[in-house]
Amino acid sequence: GAVVSQHPSRVICKSGTSVKIECRSLDFQATTMFWYRQFPKQSLMLMATSNEGSKATYEQGVEKDKFLINHASLTLSTLTVTSAHPEDSSFYICSATGAYNEQFFGPGTRLTVL
Amino acid sequence: RKEVEQDPGPFNVPEGATVAFNCTYSNSASQSFFWYRQDCRKEPKLLMSVYSSGNEDGRFTAQLNRASQYISLLIRDSKLSDSATYLCVVILYNQGGKLIFGQGTELSVKP
Repeated sequence: GAVVSQHPSRVICKSGTSVKIECRSLDFQATTMFWYRQFPKQSLMLMATSNEGSKATYEQGVEKDKFLINHASLTLSTLTVTSAHPEDSSFYICSATGAYNEQFFGPGTRLTVL
Repeated sequence: RKEVEQDPGPFNVPEGATVAFNCTYSNSASQSFFWYRQDCRKEPKLLMSVYSSGNEDGRFTAQLNRASQYISLLIRDSKLSDSATYLCVVILYNQGGKLIFGQGTELSVKP
């Protein structure tokens, strides 16, 4: 099956720093990728839709200036959490759309902001 | 009302039991449906797509009722390894292919 990777898998940073998370589709091209956030004991919440070569579409309540998304190629999308704060600590997951509209998820990035 | 709602969990069942999960969706424009499983602290993994005609994959059977806007997942002969959270996922093509997740139903299979 299709494979999606994420890097880093875990990051711990100080409050106020910026963190970049990469999402790559390894064996297929993904015009569209999605970014989610999952807090403990909760389901995945869609943050934004990342479209190759154009601006991302953000869900209501998600600050586009805080969560910068860049989808520069058909296999790479990046999410940068700018000036991270403890409340941004979460499990961030990306996904890419397969040939039959199924979603292939990356393994996730666990962000802890001290 | 949530766009996708699932049975509240957790479901605690013995090995070998048959268990059914239900999911309802509110947007009639929804066009694609999936069941995913998520293990603790891991990413969701596709379990199966859901078709109007119903589909079966081994011990797992998924069904879709568009008229009632209802999706189900049946697991027969439960195994310990089936313990996970099961997520109902709906795609809204009229909103750019946006995915909506149910809150998940936790299953715990006991020996």
